[in-house]
Amino acid sequence: DAEITQSPRHKITETGRQVTLACHQTWNHNNMFWYRQDLGHGLRLIHYSYGVQDTNKGEVSDGYSVSRSNTEDLPLTLESAASSQTSVYFCASSESRDGTPYNEQFFGPGTRLTVL
Amino acid sequence: GQNIDQPTEMTATEGAIVQINCTYQTSGFNGLFWYQQHAGEAPTFLSYNVLDGLEEKGRFSSFLSRSKGYSYLLLKELQMKDSASYLCAVIDSNYQLIWGAGTKLIIKP
Repeated sequence: DAEITQSPRHKITETGRQVTLACHQTWNHNNMFWYRQDLGHGLRLIHYSYGVQDTNKGEVSDGYSVSRSNTEDLPLTLESAASSQTSVYFCASSESRDGTPYNEQFFGPGTRLTVL
Repeated sequence: GQNIDQPTEMTATEGAIVQINCTYQTSGFNGLFWYQQHAGEAPTFLSYNVLDGLEEKGRFSSFLSRSKGYSYLLLKELQMKDSASYLCAVIDSNYQLIWGAGTKLIIKP
């Protein structure tokens, strides 16, 4: 069965360290997204990609970067982790239909990141 | 600015019906989603509305009025497993997906 996985599921790091969160999907979807979810806020878009070598900034992209070298993976890097980046991070993917990438999104299980 | 409003929390009784409202003010509209999210888990897709009216899918129905900037999710024959957060999300004119903060639904026996 197709799926979307994230690793690690839990991570504790220190302020200033570089951290990379992995996202891997076997749906063969062109579109992939990274969100963070904090109490009292909806899902907030960090970065997204509509295909290989394509990356775009979302609403809260400062301090984060992504790269898309193949269809399956969209790793998220925190360049220099800050306590404000403590959050739950979700990766999602979707296929394009009718000219829009915003069809049903399939979410990974999430990564809980704590920055001390 | 863009805004999506949902009640923060609702309580209902097992076997009953509950309606979760979502109002939105966005720059344009290209569709509205409802997702369900159990505590500690990922969101899962429930419904998509792009035209006015009611879409029924089993115990769940979703309604949209584009002129009023309003949608609701109707859950019938509530079960304990329906205890979850329900997220409303709107696609704006730039094809950006704007998410509401979610409504936590508590089901009591």
